[in-house]
Amino acid sequence: GAVVSQHPSWVICKSGTSVKIECRSLDFQATTMFWYRQFPKQSLMLMATSNEGSKATYEQGVEKDKFLINHASLTLSTLTVTSAHPEDSSFYICSATPSWGSLAFFGQGTRLTVV
Amino acid sequence: AQSVTQPDIHITVSEGASLELRCNYSYGATPYLFWYVQSPGQGLQLLLKYFSGDTLVQGIKGFEAEFKRSQSSFNLRKPSVHWSDAAEYFCAVGARNTDKLIFGTGTRLQVFP
Repeated sequence: GAVVSQHPSWVICKSGTSVKIECRSLDFQATTMFWYRQFPKQSLMLMATSNEGSKATYEQGVEKDKFLINHASLTLSTLTVTSAHPEDSSFYICSATPSWGSLAFFGQGTRLTVV
Repeated sequence: AQSVTQPDIHITVSEGASLELRCNYSYGATPYLFWYVQSPGQGLQLLLKYFSGDTLVQGIKGFEAEFKRSQSSFNLRKPSVHWSDAAEYFCAVGARNTDKLIFGTGTRLQVFP
């Protein structure tokens, strides 16, 4: 099956710094990737749709200036949490869909802890 | 509004017992339906999906789910639970022309020996 890889798996950063999370489709191309956030003991909430070569589409309530998304190639999307604060601590998961299919494959997630 | 409801936050079963996890959805069009499993600190693994056709779908690890349009439900079942099935289970719904998913709140499954 298709593989989606996220890096890093976990990161701890100081409040006020920025953190970049990568989402790569290893064996397929994806024109669209999705970024989700999961708070402890809660469900996944869609943050934004990442479109290759164009601006991301953010869900209502998600600050686009805080969560910068760059989808520079058909196999890589990045999520940068800018000026991170403790309330941004969460589990971030991406998904990608091969151009030949309609099924989304999920990365293993990135646990962000802001101290 | 589009939504997914998983009424059971936490379920505990004995190993070998049968299992049913409930999922109800509210969706304007014919949905794509999914069940995912998540182990602690891990990503999501797809158990099964329903797009069209036979309303009883078989998945991995011995799981199955039945789509009941009249009840707007897509319940997950397994005849005999194994201790390794302990995890968080998420039901999700998507549109036919997009891969954006709406997730339920999840059901945490505990399995006792």
